[in-house]
Amino acid sequence: DTEVTQTPKHLVMGMTNKKSLKCEQHMGHRAMYWYKQKAKKPPELMFVYSYEKLSINESVPSRFSPECPNSSLLNLHLHALQPEDSALYLCASSQEQGGGRSYNSPLHFGNGTRLTVT
Amino acid sequence: EDKVVQSPLSLVVHEGDTVTLNCSYEVTNFRSLLWYKQEKKAPTFLFMLTSSGIEKKSGRLSSILDKKELFSILNITATQTGDSAVYLCAGDTGNQFYFGTGTSLTVIP
Repeated sequence: DTEVTQTPKHLVMGMTNKKSLKCEQHMGHRAMYWYKQKAKKPPELMFVYSYEKLSINESVPSRFSPECPNSSLLNLHLHALQPEDSALYLCASSQEQGGGRSYNSPLHFGNGTRLTVT
Repeated sequence: EDKVVQSPLSLVVHEGDTVTLNCSYEVTNFRSLLWYKQEKKAPTFLFMLTSSGIEKKSGRLSSILDKKELFSILNITATQTGDSAVYLCAGDTGNQFYFGTGTSLTVIP
């Protein structure tokens, strides 16, 4: 089990649905990330929050909407997705954004949400 | 453009073999190099390397960084079937982490 918890583990949604992915960490980390991973590909950065503020948006389509209600929670709201958005969505956290000033701040990943868009 | 390249892309070995996985990087404002193991789900953290020439070890796994030549290697000795996974390396810019395409390792009994 990881210290970053993601729900749900699996999600099947139609192209007109609205759903949300949730992520929670209680390690006191101040940076949280959303990654998208397609089969046999590396994780691809979507968003970074640092101290609850959006720091990086990697030109992600607006049908993906992130939200960071507090330092422990990160949501990803989904609306009007396309079948090509089907992927494993990984949440991660680190003590500070990037490796941090202390050079000891690796990413800790959750187990991911396997999303299928029909 | 920031880039992390891993080789080989895939590798099949027998139990007991020793393997070396390679990671080269061109990352702006490089701060550290990280290695992860990914089985079915979440990548799990293995090593974070910040200094050249200092080997980090954990059991049968070890890794070293060469900041002059911009590469890192991950060694696994006496491989076991449980080592079968995708091994990812990532370059840290202090702002975000850039992942390589991974090396898929299969260890057969």
